[in-house]
This record gives sequence, structure tokens and C-alpha cells, in this order.
Amino acid sequence: DVKVTQSSRYLVKRTGEKVFLECVQDMDHENMFWYRQDPGLGLRLIYFSYDVKMKEKGDIPEGYSVSREKKERFSLILESASTNQTSMYLCASSDSPGQETQYFGPGTRLLVL
Amino acid sequence: EDQVTQSPEALRLQEGESSSLNCSYTVSGLRGLFWYRQDPGKGPEFLFTLYSAGEEKEKERLKATLTKKESFLHITAPKPEDSATYLCAAHGRGGSYIPTFGRGTSLIVHP
Repeated sequence: DVKVTQSSRYLVKRTGEKVFLECVQDMDHENMFWYRQDPGLGLRLIYFSYDVKMKEKGDIPEGYSVSREKKERFSLILESASTNQTSMYLCASSDSPGQETQYFGPGTRLLVL
Repeated sequence: EDQVTQSPEALRLQEGESSSLNCSYTVSGLRGLFWYRQDPGKGPEFLFTLYSAGEEKEKERLKATLTKKESFLHITAPKPEDSATYLCAAHGRGGSYIPTFGRGTSLIVHP
């Protein structure tokens, strides 16, 4: 069975803290994605990676960075958390072109105070 | 630019009252049309992928259909446990790895 896991379901951080969100997939998928989801705005792509050590900016990369050192793991980093980064963060993975169905993790709800 | 529009934004049904959710898409050469179900506070759960006009897929009370411009998610005799947000996404042949998501339809089924 397809599985994408995220390191935390809920996180509370202070403004200015460095925050790490981790995502692991066990499907040997090539592509991994980080989205944020906010009421009324839908899913917005932050970054994606189509191979180890490769990354591409999505629609809203400002204030975020990513790391993909191993195929199964994709990390999202908030360099200096701000209150406007309070959101639901979703990780997804998909196989190589031709199999673009994305499989999502359970999400991390981040609150920045 | 690829676009996906879902309607209605919200839908309230009585248990057993069948209805349809709409997903209109504009993409350059469709590679796949995806439907997901999302429960509150959880990640989207994959339901269906449709690849070509005329294709249909079914799962329990749900049936997804596809035309050249739209996809419909038909819900037959819904139950309260079908209450969720349903997301649609379309992937064009532009070479990107990224599907375009709609904003979803929030479905509430009353007992």
C-alpha cells in the first residue's frame, strides 16, 4: 500500500525559529512535493523535487527552502518562521512522467506564534 | 496557463439525495484528470485518475466521468460518511511534473 508519512501532525513554533518538516515515502517515487493549504486559497505549491538533490521552486517559495538528500525523504525548512506561515503543510509524491497521480501525506498543521 | 475550476464551492445534500460535482479544466493536452477526497485536518486521499474523454470509473457510491472540457463526480444515494471536500486536479502535456488543482467542493450529507 502506498504510504507517505510526515514527521509531525501538529507543531507550535515561535516567530523567528527555524522549523523543519520532514516527509518520507516508501513507494520509490521520483517526484516529491510540498504544498501549503489555506482556507479559500486551495493548495499552493511551495517546492518540488524530481530527483535526489534536485529542486524546483513552486508558486510560493519565499521564506522556505528544501532538501532532498535521499530519494525517499524530502524536507521543508522555514528559515525564520513568521505568523503568516501558519498553515496546513502537505507533502506528496508521484512516480516518473506517465504516472502523475500524487499521493499525499496526512499533513502537518503548523501554528507560528 | 492551465486552469481548473470546481463547482459548486459547497453542497448540502440529504442522505440518499444523488447529485454531481463539476470540474471544468483548461489544459494543453490532458495527461490525466484526478479526483481526491479530503477529510477535515487530513491529507487528500486519491480516488480516481481518468485519461481520456468517455472514460468512467466507479468506487462504491462514486462515479467519475470525463469529457474534453469537464469531469463530473456523481454521488449516488450519499451517506453522511461521504461528507468531505472533493478536489479535482488536471495534468497537461506541457512537460511539467505538476498537476493544477481546483479549490474543491465541500460536501455535507445530512442524515
